[in-house]
Amino acid sequence: GENVEQHPSTLSVQEGDSAVIKCTYSDSASNYFPWYKQELGKRPQLIIDIRSNVGEKKDQRIAVTLNKTAKHFSLHITETQPEDSAVYFCAAPLGRDDKIIFGKGTRLHILP
Amino acid sequence: NAGVMQNPRHLVRRRGQEARLRCSPMKGHSHVYWYRQLPEEGLKFMVYLQKENIIDESGMPKERFSAEFPKEGPSILRIQQVVRGDSAAYFCASSPASGSNEQFFGPGTRLTVL
Repeated sequence: GENVEQHPSTLSVQEGDSAVIKCTYSDSASNYFPWYKQELGKRPQLIIDIRSNVGEKKDQRIAVTLNKTAKHFSLHITETQPEDSAVYFCAAPLGRDDKIIFGKGTRLHILP
Repeated sequence: NAGVMQNPRHLVRRRGQEARLRCSPMKGHSHVYWYRQLPEEGLKFMVYLQKENIIDESGMPKERFSAEFPKEGPSILRIQQVVRGDSAAYFCASSPASGSNEQFFGPGTRLTVL
């Protein structure tokens, strides 16, 4: 069925270390893969996205990698800072109508 | 260019009442999505609409819930005869075209059913 799986559900890393969150998707026709950050009580906000014609995209401390063959993509945050603590969601357009489906989220804790 | 607007931001209803949630997409956006988020959980897809057309409502309960996006005016998510389990944050998002484009989220409506 149409599905986006996200792991891990929670992640704790020491400040300054790197964090990696992974997602897999079911629809081989999907061609757009965004990542959203949601702070407590706020709306999700796009932090980075990638299209299927590239394998990697970087924006300062954040990068996303895509493996279309394996149907998975990952978010990498380097030199983590306290303000990176939030819930992160991956998403992909699935099915005939290209509706955007979200993973269940990863709660990232940055430890002092 | 105003962002996605949702109102009300907070809505309290008693069991059995109706809830109407409104979403005005960004200017120039013709696609609207509604998501439900329970506390400490993810964004569950409910419905995807274009102007005057429901594209996909597979995530919406078949009873009590309905959505529309008229030619003029905001998109409306309507919940009839609310129950306690309907308490959640309801987010709408808009995009300029079909799924393979950035979605912009509204601030959400927090529905509490007493």
